[in-house]
Amino acid sequence: SQTIHQWPATLVQPVGSPLSLECTVEGTSNPNLYWYRQAAGRGLQLLFYSVGIGQISSEVPQNLSASRPQDRQFILSSKKLLLSDSGFYLCAVLGTQSYEQYFGPGTRLTVT
Amino acid sequence: AQSVTQLGSHVSVSEGALVLLRCNYSSSVPPYLFWYVQYPNQGLQLLLKYTTGATLVKGINGFEAEFKKSETSFHLTKPSAHMSDAAEYFCAVTPYSSASKIIFGSGTRLSIRP
Repeated sequence: SQTIHQWPATLVQPVGSPLSLECTVEGTSNPNLYWYRQAAGRGLQLLFYSVGIGQISSEVPQNLSASRPQDRQFILSSKKLLLSDSGFYLCAVLGTQSYEQYFGPGTRLTVT
Repeated sequence: AQSVTQLGSHVSVSEGALVLLRCNYSSSVPPYLFWYVQYPNQGLQLLLKYTTGATLVKGINGFEAEFKKSETSFHLTKPSAHMSDAAEYFCAVTPYSSASKIIFGSGTRLSIRP
């Protein structure tokens, strides 16, 4: 079965600082990977997804970018954080049977 | 295009009462349907899924959901609520023809009264 790791678990960053969130997956190869954001009291917003190394699709034009340098590594970045970037960031991997997604534990980002 | 509507952003029931969380979907092709649960400050956990076959699907923690094509619904139920069921619940849909994305509903927060 797949295991998803996210690092760090919590992060407090000042406005204008850079960001790097990491997601790594175990127990599968060549997975579809996803980044979501949950703003306070709101639902899931798909930010990026990747079907392979170096292949990134962006769903929402914004202050963030994503990269996939290795098969089971997905990174979310920003050069300059905004207050509106605060939220709970979730990484997910596509299941192999019926298109369900499995989620990591999340990273809580607070931009001050 | 696919979409999901969850009726009621907040549902409150008494412990031991029936839980009913409503979900309606729109899909131009046969869908796969999911329910996820999210506890505070945690990721989403798959509760159950409908793909093909039996329309009544049983999941973890005593939850079940019924796919009703004529009503385009996939409501989540549990006969007797427990305090540990308090969480956010998300309904989701994906067309079986595409593995790229799942469309999530806006979520329903379930509270349990002692």
